[in-house]
Amino acid sequence: DAGVIQSPRHEVTEMGQEVTLRCKPISGHDYLFWYRQTMMRGLELLIYFNNNVPIDDSGMPEDRFSAKMPNASFSTLKIQPSEPRDSAVYFCASSTQGAGEQYFGPGTRLTVT
Amino acid sequence: KNEVEQSPQNLTAQEGEFITINCSYSVGISALHWLQQHPGGGIVSLFMLSSGKKKHGRLIATINIQEKHSSLHITASHPRDSAVYICAVRGSYNTDKLIFGTGTRLQVFP
Repeated sequence: DAGVIQSPRHEVTEMGQEVTLRCKPISGHDYLFWYRQTMMRGLELLIYFNNNVPIDDSGMPEDRFSAKMPNASFSTLKIQPSEPRDSAVYFCASSTQGAGEQYFGPGTRLTVT
Repeated sequence: KNEVEQSPQNLTAQEGEFITINCSYSVGISALHWLQQHPGGGIVSLFMLSSGKKKHGRLIATINIQEKHSSLHITASHPRDSAVYICAVRGSYNTDKLIFGTGTRLQVFP
């Protein structure tokens, strides 16, 4: 298996633009997690899905952030409009059990200028 | 105060040394994870444990539920062990959410 796939790997955009991050989980994994990592706050859970249904989105910072999982093999995290403070590395991870071992994607490094 | 505290924040060692990284948490948990983040940024799950001890190669993880404390040990450390080690806990109240420590940056010199 190719592991968790994220795209793009790097994204540079201007403040106010819409940003869409993409994730393909490992086939057969029914849990998908979106994380954000910054120097100041470390790793933080933004939202997670079970069987394509959002279970906990309490970590989504504000209405500018939204996430969808239209099917078992694809999820998106959208920021609209983007702000410089959104600059971070965004990781997607998947697992077969919510409490089980998580497999992380390589991350998307987002820079908002 | 963070719910998950790690110590030390930074650690340097000579190749071959025995290394211990500590994790303390203040919430009830159902499981604790140790993760490794390579200098290139990739994150790998090392261990998931809810009691006792687990061993994988030169890595050993222990947990004491009563004391709310876990340790990650590396025996015969090697420069390739240089990474950030992150402790994360899953709460015990019907959630799959992980709460992360801030990580311990380890550098092993030859």
